[in-house]
Amino acid sequence: EVQLVESGGGLVKPGGSLRLSCAASGFTFTNAWMSWVRQAPGKGLEWVGRIKGKTDGGTTDYVAPVNGRFTISRDDSINTVYLQMNSLKTEDTAVYYCTADSRYWGQGTLVTVSS
Amino acid sequence: DVVMTQSPLSLTVTLGQPASISCRSSQSLVYSDGNTYLNWFQQRPGQSPRRLIYKVSNWNSGVPDRFSGSGSGTDFTLKISRVEAEDAGVYYCMQGTHWPPTFGQGTRLEIK
Repeated sequence: EVQLVESGGGLVKPGGSLRLSCAASGFTFTNAWMSWVRQAPGKGLEWVGRIKGKTDGGTTDYVAPVNGRFTISRDDSINTVYLQMNSLKTEDTAVYYCTADSRYWGQGTLVTVSS
Repeated sequence: DVVMTQSPLSLTVTLGQPASISCRSSQSLVYSDGNTYLNWFQQRPGQSPRRLIYKVSNWNSGVPDRFSGSGSGTDFTLKISRVEAEDAGVYYCMQGTHWPPTFGQGTRLEIK
């Protein structure tokens, strides 16, 4: 059974940092392109960024609103992908989902940026 | 970024009747490898998105065959042949051809 389990969400002040984790199981993680997608309260879905699989170079791409503030990394030894979020803004408030190749999705973790 | 435009944004359908959602992209979604990376997702209330259809018309494992996808280039359609109560939720189209992947605004499907 495929599982993606996110953790690390919570309340943080503007300008603060947070690191999200996504633990994967049930599929070949090493070659999977792992992405983070967010959904602001009551809103639609927005891609945040991705990290390619090992065979595709493991490179990262980000959308403009988070470029330079967010960093995605992966540890293939423990099948986990991370989202390091720095200089957080109120508009980053959302449920953050990790997804594998857009096929498998986690349950999401809520990040609230508020003073 | 590629803009994905869905219509209608809200849809109320009687149980057992068909439903159709349209999705239009601002650019062609045909990739250099010849594939068209257009997906459809369902998001039930309080749940994560679930991919129903990938590459225009391919079912994800476990998706009922009452769901079908079609289209090409910039115009795509998701059809439900006979809606069931469990189909209530929001449906999103998403393109994965151009970076960054982008979603439509979502279509809320209500069943009566």
